[in-house]
This record gives sequence, structure tokens and C-alpha cells, in this order.
Amino acid sequence: ELKVEQNPLFLSMQEGKNYTIYCNYSTTSDRLYWYRQDPGKSLESLFVLLSNGAVKQEGRLMASLDTKARLSTLHITAAVHDLSATYFCAVSSSGSARQLTFGSGTQLTVLP
Amino acid sequence: DAEITQSPRHKITETGRQVTLACHQTWNHNNMFWYRQDLGHGLRLIHYSYGVQDTNKGEVSDGYSVSRSNTEDLPLTLESAASSQTSVYFCASSASNYGYTFGSGTRLTVV
Repeated sequence: ELKVEQNPLFLSMQEGKNYTIYCNYSTTSDRLYWYRQDPGKSLESLFVLLSNGAVKQEGRLMASLDTKARLSTLHITAAVHDLSATYFCAVSSSGSARQLTFGSGTQLTVLP
Repeated sequence: DAEITQSPRHKITETGRQVTLACHQTWNHNNMFWYRQDLGHGLRLIHYSYGVQDTNKGEVSDGYSVSRSNTEDLPLTLESAASSQTSVYFCASSASNYGYTFGSGTRLTVV
């Protein structure tokens, strides 16, 4: 059974600071997703990581994937208030029609 | 533009009633999924479908059922609503095992 652990669950950080969210998963997978969710809203796709060593960046967010360690990180650089949201990682099962298994989410609050 | 829509957005129902949540997508995606979101649990898979007439149970399927009679729709039915089924429900679809598109969610309260 695929399990996904995300930490921290809650994160308060000052504007301008850097921080990393970690996502560990229990079984082999070659696809990892990061989503953002604002309160009361749906999930917005941020990154899809498809192979070992994949790194993707968009603005102040950078995601990486280490399939050997079964670890993905979401790094936040010089945080701004607009980044306040809940971030989820999700790992895709293998097979013809993959299901996503989600981490519990990291609720990020960026303080002025 | 293609989209995935859920209805209703909010629903209050009584314990024991049957409730159906609708999910309709115009992406022509074969794969459709239902998740529930609860605080501290992220999203958990309820049921999924690979195509017409195909349905499969997910991690938390007890008390729920789905049917797939066409490509566009995957309605989720709560046979006899329970307070433990108070949650936010998200429908999603995907085509070729790459990207997933999520609906806006249905907030269900069982009283």
C-alpha cells in the first residue's frame, strides 16, 4: 500500500525567508505531483515530476524528485504573502490508470 | 473550453437519506476519480473509473457507490448518509495518466 508522508503539516514563515516542504513515499513510483489549494477552492496543479533528478521551478517555488530516496521537496525562496496556501504532494500508482495518493498537506502561512 | 463541473456546490442532508453528487467533464477523459477531503487526511480516494461501465473501489469506499454509463459523468451516491460522511468531495479526471483536472468540490454536511 502506497503511503505518502508530508512534513511539516503547519508552517509559519516570515516574508523573505526560505523554507522546504518534504514529501516521502513508501513504494516505487515515477510520478509525483505538487498542488496548491487556497481556502474553499479546488486544487491547482503546480508541478509534475516524472523522473529521478527532475527539478522544476516556477517563480519562488522549486520542486525536485529523488526516486531512489523516495523523496520530493518543494523549496520556497524569499516567501511572499501570496504564497500562503495549503500545499499537497501526491504520488501516482503504477498501472494503466493511475490513482493519486495524497500527503496530508502543509498549511503555509507567510507573515509580513 | 473543456471543464469539469460538480454539483451541487453545497448540500445539507439528513442522516439516512440517499444523496447523489454529480460530476461532469467535457475533456473526453477516460479516467475519473472521486476523493474526499478531511482535515488532517489530505484527499482520500473513494472510487474511480477507467471508462464506461468500469468502476473500482478506492481506499474509503464503504457507504459509497458510483456508476459510469457514459464518458462524461461519474455520479457519486451515498446510499444512506452518515455524519462521518460530512466532508468536501472532489471529482477529478485524467486522460493519459499524466495530468489530473479537479472539479471545484462539493461541501456535504450530514445532520
